[in-house]
Amino acid sequence: QITLKESGPTLVKPTQTLTLTCTFSGFSLSTSGVGVGWIRQPPGKALEWLALIYWNDDKRYSPSLKSRLTITKDTSKNQVVLTMTNMDPVDTATYYCAHFSIAADGWGFDPWGQGTLVTVSS
Amino acid sequence: EIVLTQSPATLSLSPGERATLSCRASQSVSSYLAWYQQKPGQAPRLLIYDASNRATGIPARFSGSGSGTDFTLTISSLEPEDFAVYYCQQRSNLFTFGPGTKVDIK
Repeated sequence: QITLKESGPTLVKPTQTLTLTCTFSGFSLSTSGVGVGWIRQPPGKALEWLALIYWNDDKRYSPSLKSRLTITKDTSKNQVVLTMTNMDPVDTATYYCAHFSIAADGWGFDPWGQGTLVTVSS
Repeated sequence: EIVLTQSPATLSLSPGERATLSCRASQSVSSYLAWYQQKPGQAPRLLIYDASNRATGIPARFSGSGSGTDFTLTISSLEPEDFAVYYCQQRSNLFTFGPGTKVDIK
């Protein structure tokens, strides 16, 4: 059974850097075709993909946020870390991490963590 | 960047009715399109991948079709638990999600 859980601060001040950790179990991030992605959702709004890291350390970022994002993995700890610099109130959202795989029997972000609400306010 | 648009924004239907949701891409995504369901207070759940393949454990009343730029998610007969928001997502060029369609009870 694959599970993921996000952790990090619930409140950050404008201009600060946000660091979120996704701790997972039930799969290995060294397995070919596997990745972990970050997606966020402002209150009452749509999903927005942020970043994804693959088993081979290949990294992909949303073009609109690329300059502010860094994604890394620690395979031995089963963790993926996302940092976002220069936080602004518009970055207030629930941040999700999700397992991603591309395999012969399918692909997609599945499953997702429960999400963590991050509020940006002074 | 590939932009996905979804229509309608809201679909008001009764249990037992058929729901037809549309997703359109700004350029071809081939069949690299997925659909997700999100209920209030919950994380999204994968329903469909490759435009028409149901994910593991997804009921047969959910079906997807389309390729290129135009896609459809159909729920053949709405169950009470199907009232939710549905998002499409492409992986042809990076990843993007559509703005969602809310299916609510009429």
